Amino acid sequence: QKEVEQNSGPLSVPEGAIASLNCTYSDRGSQSFFWYRQYSGKSPELIMFIYSNGDKEDGRFTAQLNKASQYVSLLIRDSQPSDSATYLCAVRTAGQNFVFGPGTRLSVLP
Amino acid sequence: GAVVSQHPSWVICKSGTSVKIECRSLDFQATTMFWYRQFPKQSLMLMATSNEGSKATYEQGVEKDKFLINHASLTLSTLTVTSAHPEDSSFYICSARKGQELGGYTFGSGTRLTVV
Repeated sequence: QKEVEQNSGPLSVPEGAIASLNCTYSDRGSQSFFWYRQYSGKSPELIMFIYSNGDKEDGRFTAQLNKASQYVSLLIRDSQPSDSATYLCAVRTAGQNFVFGPGTRLSVLP
Repeated sequence: GAVVSQHPSWVICKSGTSVKIECRSLDFQATTMFWYRQFPKQSLMLMATSNEGSKATYEQGVEKDKFLINHASLTLSTLTVTSAHPEDSSFYICSARKGQELGGYTFGSGTRLTVV
């Protein structure tokens, strides 16, 4: 089982809709969770991080963490074409390793 | 905010030559920096963890004699790809964390290496 898993996509949503991106992880002792956005040919940029169960909101983005289910998600409200990118989930494990998921490609259709 | 500068942004080199990539933390001291490699349409793969003043820690399968890492100061880490071959062509990215901030991992802009 891979340490961090994501659906590769592409996930297509119409402009203005909510995009829901999901990530599961295998190390139950993982401590903190990150969402990065990566445009093609560019470096990842941090969108949000979360370390407590529940929801964390920042503008149009909401991260949701459920440690019991080993699941973290990212919701993007009012999706815009400029949100089209690959979204990487990253986990800092109990062993302090920083592991990226394979990424989910999001396409927001005008 | 934390800024990480990476140079060059792209480089083309001949097979058999060596290429050095620099990663600098501009407004903070980074005792630890990370080097990643990303092949087209694939995720980031951690190559090594660079520690200031000590040897780098390499991930399994990464040749330490081929990918030389030097972290001589708190603001600079370098990755040298020695005797580069076409299969080393990839996107190399460094990252660093400012202090112990939970969300503080910042990435450099990446270096596109093409070996011909």
